Amino acid sequence: GENVEQHPSTLSVQEGDSAVIKCTYSDSASNYFPWYKQELGKGPQLIIDIRSNVGEKKDQRIAVTLNKTAKHFSLHITETQPEDSAVYFCAARDHNAGNMLTFGGGTRLMVKP
Amino acid sequence: GAVVSQHPSWVICKSGTSVKIECRSLDFQATTMFWYRQFPKQSLMLMATSNEGSKATYEQGVEKDKFLINHASLTLSTLTVTSAHPEDSSFYICSVGGPRGFGPGTRLLVL
Repeated sequence: GENVEQHPSTLSVQEGDSAVIKCTYSDSASNYFPWYKQELGKGPQLIIDIRSNVGEKKDQRIAVTLNKTAKHFSLHITETQPEDSAVYFCAARDHNAGNMLTFGGGTRLMVKP
Repeated sequence: GAVVSQHPSWVICKSGTSVKIECRSLDFQATTMFWYRQFPKQSLMLMATSNEGSKATYEQGVEKDKFLINHASLTLSTLTVTSAHPEDSSFYICSVGGPRGFGPGTRLLVL
């Protein structure tokens, strides 16, 4: 099955700086890669996603890049704000398992004011 | 994506009792719902896939007799943790209708 690894596990940045979180996946058949933000005690919230036929996607301060050949994708947050502090998860959709997602281990992002 | 609710949002129970968690799809008729479990400071791990009108599909290592899943309608799936023990304390999250459809989660604490 799919295996998703995520780094770093924790990330501390100063407000206004950029944050980058990286993930690798193992199943070359995976074709959909969402990113989630999870605040304490809440369910995960989809913040951006990318499909395998696209190399980069941007939505305001958030961008995601995908290198299909290398099987890795990254989340970029620019001009970070304290409210960006949360746990972020990458995920990959198993091509052969419907809508089932395999999640990375998570990154705890702390934005210091 | 689907709008999903879960009930209860949190529950505390004594060891040995059973607890039922509901997952409702408010705007989407779902033949399939997913149940995830998340231990503190860990990632979401898929427990089982709930199938409307048929048996659930459990992931390796998840005891089907302990985690009973019922998907009796297109808008409701329930997860019952039978004979709960402290090690079952976790955050249980359901997912419906695609990547946006995650519920708010149910925190279970077994004393």
